[in-house]
Amino acid sequence: AQSVTQLDSQVPVFEEAPVELRCNYSSSVSVYLFWYVQYPNQGLQLLLKYLSGSTLVKGINGFEAEFNKSQTSFHLRKPSVHISDTAEYFCAVSDLGGGGYNKLIFGAGTRLAVHP
Amino acid sequence: DAGVIQSPRHEVTEMGQEVTLRCKPISGHDYLFWYRQTMMRGLELLIYFNNNVPIDDSGMPEDRFSAKMPNASFSTLKIQPSEPRDSAVYFCASGEMSSYNSPLHFGNGTRLTVT
Repeated sequence: AQSVTQLDSQVPVFEEAPVELRCNYSSSVSVYLFWYVQYPNQGLQLLLKYLSGSTLVKGINGFEAEFNKSQTSFHLRKPSVHISDTAEYFCAVSDLGGGGYNKLIFGAGTRLAVHP
Repeated sequence: DAGVIQSPRHEVTEMGQEVTLRCKPISGHDYLFWYRQTMMRGLELLIYFNNNVPIDDSGMPEDRFSAKMPNASFSTLKIQPSEPRDSAVYFCASGEMSSYNSPLHFGNGTRLTVT
């Protein structure tokens, strides 16, 4: 069975500092990987996804993530954060053989708090 | 495109009452999902539909929960009778075909409080 572990429940950081949100997954098959962001009182929005190809994936709002198959990780990074990046971030995984979105498994989320 | 629309945004009800949550997916999307979000359990998939047909309801917690999709533009999630442990944020999401090149679109959720 697949699972997703987000290693930090909360990450406080100062504005303009770099940030890394960690995600590890467990799966016996090849996977697709996603990061979603949830702003207060809103639904989730897709930040970026890894389906195949280059292991470095760039998303919206200056975020990027690197797929590391040997370490089964998909960490999210941003070189310089803004106050507006304060939100909850979810890592998600789905196996390639799955029947579509029904196989999307979410991590518990990491709350990013950007301070001035 | 107005996105996925959920109503109501907030619902407060007493234990034992029936609760109905509503969702209008994005036009043209043929997949619709109901998720529940709690602090303890995170995001859980309750049920999903493809072309208005329920495909997998294994995530529905118990018989008190039911979901319908009478047409391509409307779905409901009903809890009867409601219990305090049902308090959570319920999200509806829709997707276009079974393709990861098309992201899931989430509504803003319904925050349910059962007292």
